[in-house]
Amino acid sequence: AQSVTQLGSHVSVSEGALVLLRCNYSSSVPPYLFWYVQYPNQGLQLLLKYTSAATLVKGINGFEAEFKKSETSFHLTKPSAHMSDAAEYFCAAAKYNFNKFYFGSGTKLNVKP
Amino acid sequence: DTEVTQTPKHLVMGMTNKKSLKCEQHMGHRAMYWYKQKAKKPPELMFVYSYEKLSINESVPSRFSPECPNSSLLNLHLHALQPEDSALYLCASSPGVLHTGNEQFFGPGTRLTVL
Repeated sequence: AQSVTQLGSHVSVSEGALVLLRCNYSSSVPPYLFWYVQYPNQGLQLLLKYTSAATLVKGINGFEAEFKKSETSFHLTKPSAHMSDAAEYFCAAAKYNFNKFYFGSGTKLNVKP
Repeated sequence: DTEVTQTPKHLVMGMTNKKSLKCEQHMGHRAMYWYKQKAKKPPELMFVYSYEKLSINESVPSRFSPECPNSSLLNLHLHALQPEDSALYLCASSPGVLHTGNEQFFGPGTRLTVL
């Protein structure tokens, strides 16, 4: 089983609509999960991270994610999409005892006017 | 200073050339990473340095040679590359090991084209 799985390689929403990007993780990863955003031809920027302090994590640009252990999910949401949110989004988790990340396959978010 | 810088931004090289990519951070981070990213794919880990020592090499071909001269600087030396090595090369750093909750800070990348 994949350590981090993102359902939906492409998501398209209208401006002002709810954004929901899905990420499920394997129970074999440490309880630290991350969402990164990548704009075209740029590096990855951290949106938010879960480190066991609170299950609802707020990040930059109005994004938030909820850690649900029972569902092994860490879905990313934003109440109202903006055109500037169009980008690639990656969910990531660390690997126990190895200094490396598992990345999900990525979800490209398209925002329609 | 909370950023990772990479130079050059773009690089075009022939298959017989030797070139180097440079990455720098001044956040006091002790781990640094090289990634290769192809279009529409997640970053693919190549090398990890911890405390200036190579700790992970993900079976990368020897035509890629990393170097960590000091705790702030990371180089990737390129020699005899193939056209399929064309990609976005990303550098990242982290304060410590990732499995204790540290995040990675990424540079803007170098877009490499091999002719």
